[in-house]
Amino acid sequence: DTGVSQNPRHKITKRGQNVTFRCDPISEHNRLYWYRQTLGQGPEFLTYFQNEAQLEKSRLLSDRFSAERPKGSFSTLEIQRTEQGDSAMYLCASSHPGTYNEQFFGPGTRLTVL
Amino acid sequence: KQEVTQIPAALSVPEGENLVLNCSFTDSAIYNLQWFRQDPGKGLTSLLLIQSSQREQTSGRLNASLDKSSGRSTLYIAASQPGDSATYLCAPWSNTDKLIFGTGTRLQVFP
Repeated sequence: DTGVSQNPRHKITKRGQNVTFRCDPISEHNRLYWYRQTLGQGPEFLTYFQNEAQLEKSRLLSDRFSAERPKGSFSTLEIQRTEQGDSAMYLCASSHPGTYNEQFFGPGTRLTVL
Repeated sequence: KQEVTQIPAALSVPEGENLVLNCSFTDSAIYNLQWFRQDPGKGLTSLLLIQSSQREQTSGRLNASLDKSSGRSTLYIAASQPGDSATYLCAPWSNTDKLIFGTGTRLQVFP
């Protein structure tokens, strides 16, 4: 088990462009979470999936953001028409109810919007 | 709404000291609480998970306690080392099915 992986690790884009991030959870973890972290702050919840179902979305997730987990395995987070305020670290975590839903995080994708 | 506060915000100590990091949360109806470590520019590493029915959990030089009724958790680091330098985050998990984080304690241990 190699842990949670995220790609790309860094993304620099121009304002108005679309970007997509990928998260591969620990195998057999049925829950997958997305968080966003800005400098000096703790991570903030964005959304989470149980298998392929998206069960909750934060009000932080505007209509420019969309997340999918089509086969209950990897997930993608897309941001359309990026804004400078979207610059942050995007973190993915996975968990399994059998281990008290202990969340394990990936290395994150750092997004910079110019 | 769950709110998490961590004190102190920053800590700078010589190596060898025993440390106490504090975490308080406003909603005591939690299932468990996790402590994480985060190195600059990196993801989070899970250090300890304490279930709501437990009062403490230990891993090596780390010991975390939980007083659910008063909304407090404490992380003790024994015999601190420069390699312990990082930001430490606590996050309770409740029926909202997501972790709520504080802003963390930034620890620097110097030789």
